[in-house]
Amino acid sequence: GAGVSQSPRYKVAKRGQDVALRCDPISGHVSLFWYQQALGQGPEFLTYFQNEAQLDKSGLPSDRFFAERPEGSVSTLKIQRTQQEDSAVYLCASSSTEVRRNQPQHFGDGTRLSIL
Amino acid sequence: AQRVTQPEKLLSVFKGAPVELKCNYSYSGSPELFWYVQYSRQRLQLLLRHISRESIKGFTADLNKGETSFHLKKPFAQEEDSAMYYCALRDLEYGNKLVFGAGTILRVKS
Repeated sequence: GAGVSQSPRYKVAKRGQDVALRCDPISGHVSLFWYQQALGQGPEFLTYFQNEAQLDKSGLPSDRFFAERPEGSVSTLKIQRTQQEDSAVYLCASSSTEVRRNQPQHFGDGTRLSIL
Repeated sequence: AQRVTQPEKLLSVFKGAPVELKCNYSYSGSPELFWYVQYSRQRLQLLLRHISRESIKGFTADLNKGETSFHLKKPFAQEEDSAMYYCALRDLEYGNKLVFGAGTILRVKS
């Protein structure tokens, strides 16, 4: 596709439910990132993939958060037993090269998650 | 730890006035700095980065390592510049993640 695609655009869930957020990066992009953006804040890093390998998951706030990219393209961010503080916009970004190469990250529109 | 500070939540200027959006960072190594912009109802997009040393839509930003700043400037603001602006730092030593500031809303009034 022409850009990073995320689905759904909006997700409302009840506290305690599990949710799954999908990211389709730009075709051929090696690197994929997930960020969480709380209201009134800048995006905060969650996790990073290079192809199918999850090289950094230091930003995941708890073990309820899990991300995967099994074939090195589409990625899914899963949140188990959601809590109200999980309400945020979840952004996905991709870039064409590996670490230490000077390529910018391209962002999707994000998924706005609301936990009731 | 890496940190990016944007001290102004909102900057309001008149059309034609100069604009300076402030960004300070905390980082021990050699960072790569970016400005991202988000126009109303659009996705976050790259505006410029310090290694390119280019002017985009009339905006420029110079990396000042002594003051650890990367302020975004434009000599004459236009109404279409109204948007949310984020300063970001890329840590090349510990992965490829971006560290963002909280953002500054720029409102250009006619």
